Amino acid sequence: NAGVTQTPKFQVLKTGQSMTLQCAQDMNHEYMSWYRQDPGMGLRLIHYSVGAGITDQGEVPNGYNVSRSTTEDFPLRLLSAAPSQTSVYFCASRLSGGETQYFGPGTRLLVL
Amino acid sequence: GENVEQHPSTLSVQEGDSAVIKCTYSDSASNYFPWYKQELGKGPQLIIDIRSNVGEKKDQRIAVTLNKTAKHFSLHITETQPEDSAVYFCAASKGRIIQGAQKLVFGQGTRLTINP
Repeated sequence: NAGVTQTPKFQVLKTGQSMTLQCAQDMNHEYMSWYRQDPGMGLRLIHYSVGAGITDQGEVPNGYNVSRSTTEDFPLRLLSAAPSQTSVYFCASRLSGGETQYFGPGTRLLVL
Repeated sequence: GENVEQHPSTLSVQEGDSAVIKCTYSDSASNYFPWYKQELGKGPQLIIDIRSNVGEKKDQRIAVTLNKTAKHFSLHITETQPEDSAVYFCAASKGRIIQGAQKLVFGQGTRLTINP
């Protein structure tokens, strides 16, 4: 199993540009989530999904959209990037009846 | 909502000594407390966890203790080795996991450095 994969690894955007961060898992996990990691603030939940077709907001959802059309994929969209969205983004997944979350390697995003 | 405070933010210990990282949480309903290790350039990885019906859990050189009354839990690493150098995160959540929406709230992280 590849586990949780994320692309790209690094991206530079200009303010106002849009992009999609990709996340995929091959473990048949129902639950997937997106976090952002900023210095001194730990990981904060952006959006999560408990299964295909179901998404909900986390702690810091503003400026981000998600969709879950398949069990495997959970893309995160930035419609109009802002410098405040400069961060490292992690995707995670787990079984709906499990406690262990598996994290991807992260995407480092710089918004100029 | 839940708030998790983690201390210290940085910790440096000599190889072979013990390291202790502490976390406090605010929501008395929280019942699941995992610890994650993040190595440079990688995503966090679960190293140990504890549920609220247990006071202590050990896995080789790593242990976690929980004090529900005081609402704090700690990570203990004994006989530290250079490969223990990483950033460690504590987290807390509540609710039944089969509901699927159990959400983790993370501490701010501790950068642990093991000096040879």
